[in-house]
Amino acid sequence: DVQLVESGGNLVQPGGSLRLSCAASGFAFSTYWMSWVRQAPGKGLEWLANIKQSGSEKDYVDSVMGRFTISRDNAKNLVYLQMNSLRVEDTAVYYCARHRGYTYDYWGQGTPVAVSS
Amino acid sequence: DIVMTQTPLSSPVTLGQPASISCRSSQSLVHSDGNTYLSWLQQRPGQPPRPLIYKISNRFSGVPDRFSGSGAGTDFTLKISRVEAEDVGVYYCMQATQIPYTFGQGTKLEIK
Repeated sequence: DVQLVESGGNLVQPGGSLRLSCAASGFAFSTYWMSWVRQAPGKGLEWLANIKQSGSEKDYVDSVMGRFTISRDNAKNLVYLQMNSLRVEDTAVYYCARHRGYTYDYWGQGTPVAVSS
Repeated sequence: DIVMTQTPLSSPVTLGQPASISCRSSQSLVHSDGNTYLSWLQQRPGQPPRPLIYKISNRFSGVPDRFSGSGAGTDFTLKISRVEAEDVGVYYCMQATQIPYTFGQGTKLEIK
C-alpha cells in the first residue's frame, strides 16, 4: 500500500528554521513528482511546492519562495521541506502528497508546525 | 494566480438528498496539452484531504459512484446524488493547470 508519513513538525520561534521529512513507501518513489501542501488552523489548503522525479525541477508559491526549499533523496524514498525565516503565518499542518498527472492521489497524515515566541 | 471560488461555503443537506457544489476559476483551466486539471477533494473532520475526482469528472479508485464531477472552462460542479452521513466534511476544488496550484475556499457539507 502507498504510504506517506511526514515528520519534523515542531514549535519554533519566529525567524527560526525547521526541516520536514516525508517518508514514502509502497510505490516507485523515484518515478513520481512530489509536493508539499499546508493548512493553517481552521483554514483551507495552500499548495507550497512541487519537485520533479529527479529533483532537477522545482516550483514554489510566491509566499515561500526564497525561504522554503523542497528536495528529495530517491535512494531513501524521502522528500524534504527545509523552512527558513519562519513567520507566525507559517503555522499550519504540512502535508506531503504524491503528484500524479496534475493531481494528488495520495496524501500523508500531516505534521504540525507552530511558529510562536 | 488563478483564483478558485466555491459556492456555497456551507451546505446543510438532508440524508438521502442530493447536494451540489460549484467551483468557478478566474481563468480557463484548459491546459496547453488540451486537458483540464480540475480536481475535487474531501476532508473529513480531523483527517487529511482525500482525493475524489480528477480532470473534471474521473473518480479515483474506491470513490462511490454517487460522487460525480462535471463542467468545462471556468465552471465546474461536484454532485453527490444521495448524501450519506459519511459525506460530512469540507470539499475543495483544486486547479493544477497553472503554477501556483490553487484551491477553492472549501464548502462545508453538513447534515440538517
